[in-house]
Amino acid sequence: DTEVTQTPKHLVMGMTNKKSLKCEQHMGHRAMYWYKQKAKKPPELMFVYSYEKLSINESVPSRFSPECPNSSLLNLHLHALQPEDSALYLCASGAGAASTDTQYFGPGTRLTVL
Amino acid sequence: GNSVTQMEGPVTLSEEAFLTINCTYTATGYPSLFWYVQYPGEGLQLLLKATKADDKGSNKGFEATYRKETTSFHLEKGSVQVSDSAVYFCALSDPDAGNNRKLIWGLGTSLAVNP
Repeated sequence: DTEVTQTPKHLVMGMTNKKSLKCEQHMGHRAMYWYKQKAKKPPELMFVYSYEKLSINESVPSRFSPECPNSSLLNLHLHALQPEDSALYLCASGAGAASTDTQYFGPGTRLTVL
Repeated sequence: GNSVTQMEGPVTLSEEAFLTINCTYTATGYPSLFWYVQYPGEGLQLLLKATKADDKGSNKGFEATYRKETTSFHLEKGSVQVSDSAVYFCALSDPDAGNNRKLIWGLGTSLAVNP
């Protein structure tokens, strides 16, 4: 089973709201990723967690705050977002460490910031 | 630096036509290569991969061969269906990324298959 689940599927929020995106995998993967994707563009890497530790932050604004409570879960906390943050947010997981590591993606959360 | 170049779309084909989407790469080491597909309104799905030179990845009638001599990983399908309409992304695992498995992406190729 190569399933990564994400909730919610859609989210509409105002610029003063606080919300969270959730991601879960039960494949025993030790690397988890957050990406942002604009329409018909490739995904842009935001954060990487490796063995539950943040290993990459691609200079993402602090209004995005990731959290990895355990090896199966990944959250993205959102606060004071801007309309240009509207996008599809994708979570992915991978076995970790190996150079042939494949990333498996969830269905995404479509975020609209009003 | 490492990079991926994909043919620009959109590509429009009739059902049962032959498909080729070109992908070439530049890499300093020995990356793994991937094709991902994104159907309308959905997330990314791994379509196929190859981890070393001359490997052929295949899935759902799609194939791609890792050609080190031409630094290419072209995607092919012998007979496309309407259900293949999607955006296709070529990607490589950055060999300079150490244990942080960053993917380098092509810009994507949109495919529309007409009945």
